[in-house]
Parts: sequence; C-alpha cells; structure tokens
Amino acid sequence: GESVGLHLPTLSVQEGDNSIINCAYSNSASDYFIWYKQESGKGPQFIIDIRSNMDKRQGQRVTVLLNKTVKHLSLQIAATQPGDSAVYFCAENAGGTSYGKLTFGQGTILTVHP
Amino acid sequence: SAVISQKPSRDICQRGTSLTIQCQVDSQVTMMFWYRQQPGQSLTLIATANQGSEATYESGFVIDKFPISRPNLTFSTLTVSNMSPEDSSIYLCSVEDRLAGRPYEQYFGPGTRLTVT
Repeated sequence: GESVGLHLPTLSVQEGDNSIINCAYSNSASDYFIWYKQESGKGPQFIIDIRSNMDKRQGQRVTVLLNKTVKHLSLQIAATQPGDSAVYFCAENAGGTSYGKLTFGQGTILTVHP
Repeated sequence: SAVISQKPSRDICQRGTSLTIQCQVDSQVTMMFWYRQQPGQSLTLIATANQGSEATYESGFVIDKFPISRPNLTFSTLTVSNMSPEDSSIYLCSVEDRLAGRPYEQYFGPGTRLTVT
C-alpha cells in the first residue's frame, strides 16, 4: 500500500515494550484533543480523546496525557504489538468559531519489531 | 461510530481535468469536513461542508478550485477542478457525529488517492 509519513519523526520499539508518542500543540485556546492512528492506505482511525479540563485519560492499552502549561500531549501505548505499527497524529480543536475544525500535528511513524 | 465510504478509492487523472469525490455516511451527521493529505504530510482542512448552504473554506482554499456540495445530512461531494500534478494527494472526508450526543469526536473515511499526471 501507499506509505505516508516519509518525512515524519520515527519511533522504533520491540514488541511488548511500552511506547510514548509526543506532540506539541500551538494554540493555547485549544480545548479538545484527539489521537489518530493511520495505517498505510487507510484513513485516520480515532484512538482516544481528551478535553482541556482533564490531564489524563485512559483507554484500552492507551493513555493520553495533557500538559496545558507547556502545551504538550502524549500518547502511551502499553505492551505494544506489531499491529500498532502506523503513523500517529495528534489533532487539536480550538472551539469557539473554530468549533469542529481540527488542526493536525506532523505525525510520528511507530514501527514495532517482533 | 458512523460508517463512512468514499468513491472513488483512487484515480489517476490528466492535468486540466476535474474529479468529483463522493462521501457517504450511513447515518445522519451534523458536520462534514474535507481534508487533504499531501504525500508524506499531515492532514490539512480544506473546508466545512454545510448542509443547504455554501461550504466554509479555510485559508488557501477557494470554491472555484474545490467546489463542495452537501445536499443532505448523509452525503457530500468535493470536486478538484482544473487539476495539476500539485493536486496529487489523499482527499479525506470526516464527520462529527454531534446528533449522537458526542460532540467533537471526528471520524474519517478511507480516503481517495488522487494522482495527477
């Protein structure tokens, strides 16, 4: 399939390790954040979201941390599996007149080695 | 979440021609958006497709180049007009399922991979 993310940061991990993917956002007015996973040849898949009134949210094997002070978002994947290999994007929404409009980060390529 | 389909899934077009991409959702949704993903890049919002009115375009995108229709709450089209090789990208539609009581969550279609020669 077509490869996206040829010019993106990369993270390589061994199967079973924990992965941490980081994202810096720019708009201090952003009040909602989403992490997406994009596999080769597919559209982005919603993973987990977090609102600005929270600093941590957990899902199945994933945790998102939000640090509004330094405008930083991270996605932690526990016990990473080869099927987690993909490009991961963070996205922010500023609300207000920008309601619904997402601004995407540059993305990170995660490669999981068996 | 809503199931989103796009047609065509991919196409190879000649410069100067136009291509219309369709986005179909299996349920009524309030918001539909169109994004572009250039090779090796992240996603950029083109416009918000408004039902029953003109689309709202982001800076750098204009209606003459990317006309959009949204005749109802489940369907939208994006046309890439007078194409050039620089228009080669993945075009994605997304929906925000606000009617389901979960604002902001956006889900994406599989994308249309366009190559302009």
